[in-house]
Amino acid sequence: GENVEQHPSTLSVQEGDSAVIKCTYSDSASNYFPWYKQELGKRPQLIIDIRSNVGEKKDQRIAVTLNKTAKHFSLHITETQPEDSAVYFCAAGGGYQKVTFGTGTKLQVIP
Amino acid sequence: DTGVSQDPRHKITKRGQNVTFRCDPISEHNRLYWYRQTLGQGPEFLTYFQNEAQLEKSRLLSDRFSAERPKGSFSTLEIQRTEQGDSAMYLCASSIDGSDEQFFGPGTRLTVL
Repeated sequence: GENVEQHPSTLSVQEGDSAVIKCTYSDSASNYFPWYKQELGKRPQLIIDIRSNVGEKKDQRIAVTLNKTAKHFSLHITETQPEDSAVYFCAAGGGYQKVTFGTGTKLQVIP
Repeated sequence: DTGVSQDPRHKITKRGQNVTFRCDPISEHNRLYWYRQTLGQGPEFLTYFQNEAQLEKSRLLSDRFSAERPKGSFSTLEIQRTEQGDSAMYLCASSIDGSDEQFFGPGTRLTVL
């Protein structure tokens, strides 16, 4: 089955700086890579996703890159704000089936 | 509210008791997923349905766990003879054919004493 590894587990940045979270996956059949943001006590919310036929996708301050050959994908948040503080999860899957989540990165943006 | 809903939001039970959770997906969504999340971890897949058919079950889903979606709309997850290790947040998500995007409900937090 799919195995997703995520690094780092915690990340502290100064407000305005960039944050990068990296994930690797094992199953070459995976073709869908979502990123979720989860605030304390709340449900995971999709913030951006990418499919395997695309190398990069951007939405305002958030971007995701995918290296299908290396089975790596990354989340980039620029100009971080205190409200970006949360736990971020990467996931891999596709084919309208389950996704396998990483272990999460707790991002703290220091004002 | 047109999002995924779950009931109850919190459940405290004693070890050995049975519990049942309900999930109502977004109305036109035919795929429904159950995940379990423990503190500091990502959600772990338990099972999923396409319409009323249960298509996959994780090895995490022991014989004490059963899920149903009898009419292809809401789903229930039952845990029999609960154990302290069952304490977790149980999340439901739904999606529609043609889209991989899963929308999560608020979860049911189970505490087994």
